[in-house]
Amino acid sequence: ETGVTQTPRHLVMGMTNKKSLKCEQHLGHNAMYWYKQSAKKPLELMFVYNFKEQTENNSVPSRFSPECPNSSHLFLHLHTLQPEDSALYLCASSQVRLGSNRSGANVLTFGAGSRLTVL
Amino acid sequence: AQSVTQPDIHITVSEGASLELRCNYSYGATPYLFWYVQSPGQGLQLLLKYFSGDTLVQGIKGFEAEFKRSQSSFNLRKPSVHWSDAAEYFCAVGGLRNYGGSQGNLIFGKGTKLSVKP
Repeated sequence: ETGVTQTPRHLVMGMTNKKSLKCEQHLGHNAMYWYKQSAKKPLELMFVYNFKEQTENNSVPSRFSPECPNSSHLFLHLHTLQPEDSALYLCASSQVRLGSNRSGANVLTFGAGSRLTVL
Repeated sequence: AQSVTQPDIHITVSEGASLELRCNYSYGATPYLFWYVQSPGQGLQLLLKYFSGDTLVQGIKGFEAEFKRSQSSFNLRKPSVHWSDAAEYFCAVGGLRNYGGSQGNLIFGKGTKLSVKP
């Protein structure tokens, strides 16, 4: 496997279900991201993990719960979702290059996405 | 506020015709600029990026983009479109990424959908 792999590709769930989305990156990157892509809206950054630590939670409702057990894996746990949460959820990874000023440009590699439908 | 504007929601061009997709940005710091392409049912693939240096950058699949600081633009071009170029194109801007901070996280435009006529 190469690149960024997301499973499942399609998921249909009821509002009372609990499910999880999985992302795995095979690129040796040190940062991972969850984005939400809804129709007619820009991509929305949800969560960022650097070196397995969450560094950003972009005001995401608590019914979305991320987990990053190691630098290669990222999960998004879903519970009591709403129909408006139906969207394409994209995982991405990047190599954050830390120089003397601990900064670097961010080039993201995306997975194919998980299409979520909440009934 | 930081933002990216792609003024064209949907563009249709004939196969073999030239293409220009517009992107304007608002960003307080030195921007890094990107174009991504998304085919139906797929994730986003990086077409090209601008960090510094020559303002005309070449990407994959015959695409190029030109950074114009005075116009805050980063338009994507292709001299001759192929039917396989039909997809949605996203412009994104980011800055220097500081560990533990949000600066540098990419801000995406809403995308331009490209249709190609035979």
